[in-house]
Amino acid sequence: GENVEQHPSTLSVQEGDSAVIKCTYSDSASNYFPWYKQELGKRPQLIIDIRSNVGEKKDQRIAVTLNKTAKHFSLHITETQPEDSAVYFCGSAGHTGGFKTIFGAGTRLFVKA
Amino acid sequence: DGGITQSPKYLFRKEGQNVTLSCEQNLNHDAMYWYRQDPGQGLRLIYYSQIVNDFQKGDIAEGYSVSREKKESFPLTVTSAQKNPTAFYLCASRYSNTEAFFGQGTRLTVV
Repeated sequence: GENVEQHPSTLSVQEGDSAVIKCTYSDSASNYFPWYKQELGKRPQLIIDIRSNVGEKKDQRIAVTLNKTAKHFSLHITETQPEDSAVYFCGSAGHTGGFKTIFGAGTRLFVKA
Repeated sequence: DGGITQSPKYLFRKEGQNVTLSCEQNLNHDAMYWYRQDPGQGLRLIYYSQIVNDFQKGDIAEGYSVSREKKESFPLTVTSAQKNPTAFYLCASRYSNTEAFFGQGTRLTVV
């Protein structure tokens, strides 16, 4: 079945540094890739997404890149701040699986002040 | 709160009991989902439904059951066959192949 692998599981950076989280998906039919941020005890919330017809998308300090050939996509956070500390999940969705989203195992990001 | 509501927020289950978790949305979304979250294991799909009166198993459906009698509602029953039900359960809904909106979650504990 479809699978999404996410690395690293934990990431610690100094405030102001960049953070990169990488994901790999298995279903070549996947065409929608969301990234969610989950703060402790709260629901996941979408921070950025990208579709398969686009290679890169940016929203202020957050960017996502997609390499369809390699089936890789990555989240880039620049100028990290303590409030960026949370668990981040990547997801993959596509026509093969209907509208279901398969998520990676998550990355716990710590931003040290 | 995003138009999708889960209840209760906390739920305690005795051994051998069935319990039902509620999920209601007023977003007019066709698709609804149930995920289970355990520490270090991300969000695992239990069941999903793309249309009323139809649903499919996800990756970890054993010990769970669902129904989709109304577009707005997708309740999840955790049966006694689920041997390790203690977890955080998240319901989500979405329109077509777009962003999924999550409920605030139900934390289920076996006592």
